[in-house]
Amino acid sequence: GAVVSQHPSRVICKSGTSVKIECRSLDFQATTMFWYRQFPKQSLMLMATSNEGSKATYEQGVEKDKFLINHASLTLSTLTVTSAHPEDSSFYICSARETPPGETQYFGPGTRLLVL
Amino acid sequence: QKEVEQDPGPLSVPEGAIVSLNCTYSNSAFQYFMWYRQYSRKGPELLMYTYSSGNKEDGRFTAQVDKSSKYISLFIRDSQPSDSATYLCAAYSGGYQKVTFGTGTKLQVIP
Repeated sequence: GAVVSQHPSRVICKSGTSVKIECRSLDFQATTMFWYRQFPKQSLMLMATSNEGSKATYEQGVEKDKFLINHASLTLSTLTVTSAHPEDSSFYICSARETPPGETQYFGPGTRLLVL
Repeated sequence: QKEVEQDPGPLSVPEGAIVSLNCTYSNSAFQYFMWYRQYSRKGPELLMYTYSSGNKEDGRFTAQVDKSSKYISLFIRDSQPSDSATYLCAAYSGGYQKVTFGTGTKLQVIP
């Protein structure tokens, strides 16, 4: 199956700093990538949809200035958590869909963010 | 009402049992249906993908879609302790639409 990687897998940072998470589709091109957040024992919460070369579409309640998304190429999307606070601590997972719009969505391994 | 409903469980079964995981959905436009397996602290892994109604089998796993009743099922035969995970069903209408996920069912297979 298709492979999606995420880096870093785990990050610990101080409150007020910014953290960038990379998501790459390794063996396919992805016009669309998705960013999810997942709290312990809860389901996936879609944060935003990222289309290559255009602005991301954010879900209701997600601050676009807080969570900056860039989808610069067909294989790379980045999520930057700006001025992170402890409440931003969570498991962030990216997902990618093949180009042209494929029917399946593949997930990365996730990034665990802990803000102290 | 959520577009995809899934019993959160947890579901505990003895090793070797047949497991039945189910979801219902409300959007008639959904054409593609997936099952993902998620281990603790890991990203979801695509298990099965089906288009429209019908069955699909892959090893010990069988996915079943009944569009007339808007019912999605995943059967696991000869369940193993390594199958213990959260299983997410998902549905999608195609094109540039978003995939809608169920909340996940936590399965525990007891040795």
